[in-house]
Amino acid sequence: EVKLVESGGGLVQPGGSLRLSCSASGFALTDYTMYWVRQAPGKGLEYVSAIGPRGDSTWNADSVKGRFAISRDTSKNELYLQMSSLRPEDTAVYYCVKDLHVTFDYWGQGALVTVSS
Amino acid sequence: DVVLTQSPLCLPVTLGQPASISCRSSQSLLYSDGNNYLTWFQQRPGQSPRRLIYKVSNRDSGVPDRFSGSGSGTDFTLNISRVEAEDVGVYYCMQGSHWPHTFGQGTKLEIK
Repeated sequence: EVKLVESGGGLVQPGGSLRLSCSASGFALTDYTMYWVRQAPGKGLEYVSAIGPRGDSTWNADSVKGRFAISRDTSKNELYLQMSSLRPEDTAVYYCVKDLHVTFDYWGQGALVTVSS
Repeated sequence: DVVLTQSPLCLPVTLGQPASISCRSSQSLLYSDGNNYLTWFQQRPGQSPRRLIYKVSNRDSGVPDRFSGSGSGTDFTLNISRVEAEDVGVYYCMQGSHWPHTFGQGTKLEIK
């Protein structure tokens, strides 16, 4: 059974940093492209970052370029999102998402990140 | 970026009645392999999004057959043949044919 469990969310001040983790089970990260997708309170869905199955290709949305970095640990089958220079507009629930043929077939339960002083 | 425009944004429906949501793309979603990578998600209140339909019309396992998808190119539709109470939530379309993948604004389905 595929399962994605995010952790590491919380309250952080503007300009601060936070690292989200996603523990994956039921499949290997090395077989699929993985994404982080966020949803601001009461708003829609926004792609944030992605990492290819070989781990040598990463992509970031323009809104987070230079501030967020996606990575993974294949020995632990865990996905990460390192977030720095956080802004109030980064406040959102962050979902870890598995991709299958450019459709997102599994989503985690989400981790809430609140950027506020 | 490709813009997906959903309509309506709010959809009040009587139980047992049909419902239809449109998703229009600013560019054709026909990919070089012949597929339209258009996906529909359902997000129930307080839950994560759940994939309902992928590549326009392929229903996921466990999704009731009252849900169906259609369309090609720039115009796509999600149909619910008879709305049930458990269908309340927000529905999103998403395109994967162009980078970056983008989502529609969402359509909130509620019971009249």
